[in-house]
Order: sequence, then structure tokens, then C-alpha cells
Amino acid sequence: DAGVTQSPTHLIKTRGQQVTLRCSPKSGHDTVSWYQQALGQGPQFIFQYYEEEERQRGNFPDRFSGHQFPNYSSELNVNALLLGDSALYLCASSLYGGAGYEQYFGPGTRLTVT
Amino acid sequence: TQLLEQSPQFLSIQEGENLTVYCNSSSVFSSLQWYRQEPGEGPVLLVTVVTGGEVKKLKRLTFQFGDARKDSSLHITAAQPGDTGLYLCAGEDSSYKLIFGSGTRLLVRP
Repeated sequence: DAGVTQSPTHLIKTRGQQVTLRCSPKSGHDTVSWYQQALGQGPQFIFQYYEEEERQRGNFPDRFSGHQFPNYSSELNVNALLLGDSALYLCASSLYGGAGYEQYFGPGTRLTVT
Repeated sequence: TQLLEQSPQFLSIQEGENLTVYCNSSSVFSSLQWYRQEPGEGPVLLVTVVTGGEVKKLKRLTFQFGDARKDSSLHITAAQPGDTGLYLCAGEDSSYKLIFGSGTRLLVRP
């Protein structure tokens, strides 16, 4: 049973460029959440997708957008990259709703903006 | 804005010692999860606690959810070098979002 997978593992971009990160959820999961983890910090919630729609959004600008496909996989897009966007981007999958639902994380994509 | 404060931020102990990590908030959470993260990897779920006052044990790890569901603790007995890592608590809010603490970095010296 494959867990959550993310691609690419590492990425280096220049300020102003755009980037797309990809995530495949754990088998049987229908919800994907994206997090940004800066060095030495805990993950910060970006947004959550369920049934191909953005259901929840954290305190991130519109430069951060996403998509969920019919097979539940998801993409995170970041436009007009800033140096401060350098971080580990984590994808987590789960089953939607209910207190105590459990999220399973992928290994992350390390984004470096120069 | 809901915040989770973890303490201590760093902990360096000798193998065999006991330790407790705390996770506190002024907000009530539907559930609270504890994760461990290794360098370069994603967080791995250790436990989920849902009921106020709940205590769960996972081998040498004991997790407790506060009665008011605002705080939690993780106690490790007889720590081993394999316990080294970043421990994160995360509270689930009313809209099913996870709010993470900033983490406790644990180093267990042989």
C-alpha cells in the first residue's frame, strides 16, 4: 500500500518564477492538505482540497493556488516566487471530516528560491 | 487566531532519562495529534487523542489530552537515541484544519 508521494523532492527556482508541486494521496484517501514548513518551524496550513474544490484556506496570499484531480491527486502552484517562499512543502492526505481524522504526510518538496 | 505553544523548544538528554514535552493553547481543539519528524522527511503520526482527559500509551511514550481539550503532553520513559527527532503537536480546529506547534527538538545522547 503506497503512502503519500510527492514530486519533485528538490527544486531550485529564481525570484519571480512560477512553480508546480505534485502530490498523490494514500490509497483510499479523498482529501489533500498542503502545508509550508520553514526551517526550524512547525508546518503552516496553506489549503485543503476535497471533491476537487478548495474547502479551507490558511493565511496565504493568492499567489498560492491549487487543484485536485478526479483521482484525488493534487497540485500546488506558487506564482511570482519570493525568497521567503523557500521552505519544505508538505502534502497530507486523509478521509474528509469527523473529529480525530488522521492525516498522513508525504516526504515533502524542498523549494529553494534564489 | 488559534496558536499552539510547545515547550521546551530544545531538549538534550542522556540515554535512559525521562522527559516531558508540553503543548498548550488558549483554544479548544476537537482532537490533538502528535507527530515525529526526521530531517528531510515528512511528519509521521504517533497518536491522536480526542476525548478530554484521555491518556494513550505507545510503548515508552505516554500521551495525555487535557480535560478542557486545550493542552496536551508527551512523556517518554527511558529515552533512547532512536527517539531523537522533532516532535510536533497539532490541534484540529472546528473546520478540520490542523494547527501545528513550532516543535520540540529532542536529542538523546548515547
